[in-house]
Amino acid sequence: DQQVKQNSPSLSVQEGRISILNCDYTNSMFDYFLWYKKYPAEGPTFLISISSIKDKNEDGRFTVFLNKSAKHLSLHIVPSQPGDSAVYFCAAPPSNTGNQFYFGTGTSLTVIP
Amino acid sequence: KAGVTQTPRYLIKTRGQQVTLSCSPISGHRSVSWYQQTPGQGLQFLFEYFSETQRNKGNFPGRFSGRQFSNSRSEMNVSTLELGDSALYLCASSAGGMRNTGELFFGEGSRLTVL
Repeated sequence: DQQVKQNSPSLSVQEGRISILNCDYTNSMFDYFLWYKKYPAEGPTFLISISSIKDKNEDGRFTVFLNKSAKHLSLHIVPSQPGDSAVYFCAAPPSNTGNQFYFGTGTSLTVIP
Repeated sequence: KAGVTQTPRYLIKTRGQQVTLSCSPISGHRSVSWYQQTPGQGLQFLFEYFSETQRNKGNFPGRFSGRQFSNSRSEMNVSTLELGDSALYLCASSAGGMRNTGELFFGEGSRLTVL
């Protein structure tokens, strides 16, 4: 049962435009969300996170929006750059102890120069 | 600060064999988690070790096992390999604590191919 879902396997965007990556979750108990970026032949790296007490968190060109009523979050990248081409995963920890995270299946972003 | 180191990076096994993968976490990190990545499935949580104890376990069969040593290094073992075990196995470390809402630091992964 996929508790964190990314329904778009791929996305192509022109350089300089906005990239919007979406993520849905099913468990209303999730209270913290993270985005990771993964380049080929590398491990995922942390990008940005958001707590459920917020509806927006910004870090430079990256902004994550959280809509709790819709159980939906999105990652906005503005402006998109070719170096942003990677697979993006959203993740959420269950409300128990430890470091277990549910990950989505990922969205492959291609930024076209 | 050295990152998470996984060995081997690539390996090929045949069905029925077993495999052991190793992970050295970032110095000072006490939590090590293992994930399986397959096409279309994203990252699936296998298990987490903290201070040599398994703290969480995902929904994988008993053929998948792991352990953590006193220096926080971890190994995972897969016995009686099946074709479907072909995947990228990722190890992640973090400082730990009761509940981590911080980031995981991933290694580059071990690519297992089962023939």
